[in-house]
Amino acid sequence: DTAVSQTPKYLVTQMGNDKSIKCEQNLGHDTMYWYKQDSKKFLKIMFSYNNKELIINETVPNRFSPKSPDKAHLNLHINSLELGDSAVYFCASSQLGLAGLQETQYFGPGTRLLVL
Amino acid sequence: KQEVTQIPAALSVPEGENLVLNCSFTDSAIYNLQWFRQDPGKGLTSLLLIQSSQREQTSGRLNASLDKSSGRSTLYIAASQPGDSATYLCAVMDTGRRALTFGSGTRLQVQP
Repeated sequence: DTAVSQTPKYLVTQMGNDKSIKCEQNLGHDTMYWYKQDSKKFLKIMFSYNNKELIINETVPNRFSPKSPDKAHLNLHINSLELGDSAVYFCASSQLGLAGLQETQYFGPGTRLLVL
Repeated sequence: KQEVTQIPAALSVPEGENLVLNCSFTDSAIYNLQWFRQDPGKGLTSLLLIQSSQREQTSGRLNASLDKSSGRSTLYIAASQPGDSATYLCAVMDTGRRALTFGSGTRLQVQP
């Protein structure tokens, strides 16, 4: 069973389109994340949700909107796609452990987005 | 703002060598530090997590150390194998922030 799954795996689309990426985790974790890995392979946090509540929102354009319908799902919707949005988007999850420490983060396989 | 640096950026070694990957971070107020492995075109696999109160963690041929006061961690790989070839990423979770700050990675190639 896949612990953290993302769909689609690949996404090729035209500039200006709106697209969504879905993420699901079956680990029972309470925290989920979206990270972006750019062409230089540098990973940066975009958003983090804990129990469906947004707790981290980095300086990401308003065109990116995360949605968490429940603890096991965190979707990412992107409006008016731009060339610079081309990247690999990773979903991850973790569990708040003892003393408020986040435990190991588990990553999905990534969604490779190419904007033409 | 936390910054994570990994040295070297790339490393090529013959099979069987022991090797050390380095990670440094600028803000020592961290919850934990994680080492990940990323294979080309794939996601990240967690290798080791060291809590801020710990000095090291071991898993098989891997040993990670943490010196929080100096802002450094090392990943030691013993008896390297071609299957160890991948990019190794170091990431820290800051106190009060529930997301990881990543280094740019060390790309390892182990020659058979």
